[in-house]
Amino acid sequence: QKEVEQNSGPLSVPEGAIASLNCTYSDRVSQSFFWYRQYSGKSPELIMSIYSNGDKEDGRFTAQLNKASQYVSLLIRDSQPSDSATYLCAVKDTGFQKLVFGTGTRLLVSP
Amino acid sequence: SAVISQKPSRDICQRGTSLTIQCQVDSQVTMMFWYRQQPGQSLTLIATANQGSEATYESGFVIDKFPISRPNLTFSTLTVSNMSPEDSSIYLCSVVGGSNTEAFFGQGTRLTVV
Repeated sequence: QKEVEQNSGPLSVPEGAIASLNCTYSDRVSQSFFWYRQYSGKSPELIMSIYSNGDKEDGRFTAQLNKASQYVSLLIRDSQPSDSATYLCAVKDTGFQKLVFGTGTRLLVSP
Repeated sequence: SAVISQKPSRDICQRGTSLTIQCQVDSQVTMMFWYRQQPGQSLTLIATANQGSEATYESGFVIDKFPISRPNLTFSTLTVSNMSPEDSSIYLCSVVGGSNTEAFFGQGTRLTVV
């Protein structure tokens, strides 16, 4: 059973701080990793994808991947109250196009 | 990214009835996926809808309960049959984009069974 693990939180950070969200996965040969943001009552929205070891930056978001440790993270710089949401880590099944999702980390950014 | 239209956005249904959810994409896609998100939980894949062949169901999901149609490369339906209150969930349609890597979601259908 391929698994994706996340701390459910909530992770509370003050406005302007860096939020660090973490995810581990069990399938050693996975190649594609994604972070989705889901506001309450809404569908998941893709915010980052990463395929190679190292960092990938997009605005205030940085995804980090370490395949040797089977670890992927998302950093949100200058956190805003509007970033308060649940962040889902997803890993693509190596044999198929389907995604395996973690349970999500709830982020709360306080003004 | 693909534009995905899913409907209905929400419904309240009587137990024992069935509901069909529609998913329309603005471009042709090879694979479409149906997920369920139960209250307070993450997404669980129900099945992969393949055009021209039967859907592939995940463990714990069966065709009699969740029949799926995929008549063409832009459209799919999921039916939730003989509903019970345990079927109350959000149902989400997803497609893999043109790059064949990133997945996008429809707006979801919030189903309540009473």
